[in-house]
Amino acid sequence: EIVLTQSPDFQSVTPKEKVTITCRASQSIGSNLHWYQQKPDQSPKLLIKSASQSLSGVPSRFSGRRSGTNFTLTINSLEAEDAATYYCHQSSTLPGTFGGGTKVEIK
Amino acid sequence: EVQLVQSGAEVRKPGESLKISCKTSGYIFTTYWIGWVRQMPGKGLEWMGFIFPRDSDTRYSPSFQGQVTLSVDKSITTAYLQWSSLKASDTAMYYCATGDGPLDFWGQGALVTVSS
Repeated sequence: EIVLTQSPDFQSVTPKEKVTITCRASQSIGSNLHWYQQKPDQSPKLLIKSASQSLSGVPSRFSGRRSGTNFTLTINSLEAEDAATYYCHQSSTLPGTFGGGTKVEIK
Repeated sequence: EVQLVQSGAEVRKPGESLKISCKTSGYIFTTYWIGWVRQMPGKGLEWMGFIFPRDSDTRYSPSFQGQVTLSVDKSITTAYLQWSSLKASDTAMYYCATGDGPLDFWGQGALVTVSS
């Protein structure tokens, strides 16, 4: 089973700051890595697919990058509405796996 | 518009059986895998498994193999997750989701509470 190691577990950030979340895969998964945002009492929402592909309706401050088996989600200029938990997910092998999640709190 | 609508919250006693549903619409049901995800109270997302509606090919995460059963009814474009004997540790929110690799679409979740 592919393990995704996500860091940090928690981040407390001031509005307008930049947030970087990393996800490291235990083996090669190509670009089959996706990022989700989950707000309290809501279902997860797809933010970035295939490591770096942005999605319609997702603010442009969210971006993703891949370097080998290391992936990053960046939130430029954090806004209050970005308070949520963020998860990475790999779909290279079925069934998929999720990272442990990163909770982003607004200071 | 793609929609996944899950059945409502359930309360059961340990040892009881349960089958929850995920009714889909707005896309061709047999096109994409449907996955099930568990979220225990205050915890992260866990993959349970996937089912491919066209042929019911099913893949389970090792932690859930033998613990749950996934199925579909193509005639009503609905996926199911079932337990034959619930435990208190099955108390969680359960989500169905679908997509072509990334999970573009999610159900609203179904809360299952198992308590004596």
